[in-house]
Amino acid sequence: DAMVIQNPRYQVTQFGKPVTLSCSQTLNHNVMYWYQQKSSQAPKLLFHYYDKDFNNEADTPDNFQSRRPNTSFCFLDIRSPGLGDAAMYLCATVGLAGTDTQYFGPGTRLTVL
Amino acid sequence: LAKTTQPISMDSYEGQEVNITCSHNNIATNDYITWYQQFPSQGPRFIIQGYKTKVTNEVASLFIPADRKSSTLSLPRVSLSDTAVYYCLVVEYSSASKIIFGSGTRLSIRP
Repeated sequence: DAMVIQNPRYQVTQFGKPVTLSCSQTLNHNVMYWYQQKSSQAPKLLFHYYDKDFNNEADTPDNFQSRRPNTSFCFLDIRSPGLGDAAMYLCATVGLAGTDTQYFGPGTRLTVL
Repeated sequence: LAKTTQPISMDSYEGQEVNITCSHNNIATNDYITWYQQFPSQGPRFIIQGYKTKVTNEVASLFIPADRKSSTLSLPRVSLSDTAVYYCLVVEYSSASKIIFGSGTRLSIRP
């Protein structure tokens, strides 16, 4: 039973063409995270939501935006993808950070041509 | 946020016990220590979490000394399928904390 679902699993876009990645969860968790993971690197936190409160990391480029219309869904918008944005994008949720398990989705692999 | 330091890579053989140590000198009172496992092209998966002393579950044990400045993940009798990257994280007990990954340890198990 999938708990954190990411669509699509693979996304190909063209340089500069906006793209949206989606994440949904069936856990009713308050906190949702978006990470970027490049080859052979650790996941890098882009931003996270606590309910509707948005928390952006200081070094996340403005090119990356996010929306959370309700508890279950969260979107990552890349306004003008560059070649350097090719990566795996991971969505994760947690009920209460620190003592609750953080559940990750399978990721969306983004290719930029 | 407490920074973690762990070995970049480790090698071992099937059937051996593997211990991966993580240093977190600046750990705060409200911080918990959590370990994740990640296989290629998959999201990280929770392995174990602890606050102090020893925690054991069906896949691993976590040893945390009294000063909590380090922790050791112990994997008993590893198999080839344990080849993965293992991340040590320090996470604040909070309703809306950041969860930041360190560089991880790439564990390779050989036959």
